Amino acid sequence: EDQVTQSPEALRLQEGESSSLNCSYTVSGLRGLFWYRQDPGKGPEFLFTLYSAGEEKEKERLKATLTKKESFLHITAPKPEDSATYLCAVPPGGGADGLTFGKGTHLIIQP
Amino acid sequence: NAGVTQTPKFQVLKTGQSMTLQCAQDMNHNSMYWYRQDPGMGLRLIYYSASEGTTDKGEVPNGYNVSRLNKREFSLRLESAAPSQTSVYFCASRPGTPGNTIYFGEGSWLTVV
Repeated sequence: EDQVTQSPEALRLQEGESSSLNCSYTVSGLRGLFWYRQDPGKGPEFLFTLYSAGEEKEKERLKATLTKKESFLHITAPKPEDSATYLCAVPPGGGADGLTFGKGTHLIIQP
Repeated sequence: NAGVTQTPKFQVLKTGQSMTLQCAQDMNHNSMYWYRQDPGMGLRLIYYSASEGTTDKGEVPNGYNVSRLNKREFSLRLESAAPSQTSVYFCASRPGTPGNTIYFGEGSWLTVV
């Protein structure tokens, strides 16, 4: 059965304090790993897609990395506006459509 | 750029009432989706449509029906609403083949009392 597990569930950091969010996955035939950001009262906003182990992508203070079993979202010197819930997702195995999501990490950056 | 547009944004229903959530995308995407999001459960797929004229069940289809009206529009219907259907509903769309990025609307907050 496909599984996406994110940790921690919640994380509170001081402004400027770097950290990493984890997404571990179990799926047959990975067809991409997706990171989204979700602000309160809004829909998920696409951040990155990673397709193969060793791949890295960056956007401002965020960098996503991928191994064969997990992905990390590294946040460097975060600012309060980085506060959000970060979601990780993979397409289901067997060629099925859609995305299987983790439950997310709720990130709070305190000034 | 409108992207994926959902209506209504907020709705309160009484148990047993019916309603339809509307979704339209202006990105010429082939695939469209309906998800629900509940605290502690994450996003779960209700139904999807890979192309105009086709629909398929997702993880949690019971109590819902869908219609792919044309390439742009994909509606979700609750025939007899139940309190367990209180949730936030997201419509989404994707171009091309599975593995491409899925883009989400802003959500519809539904409360069933």
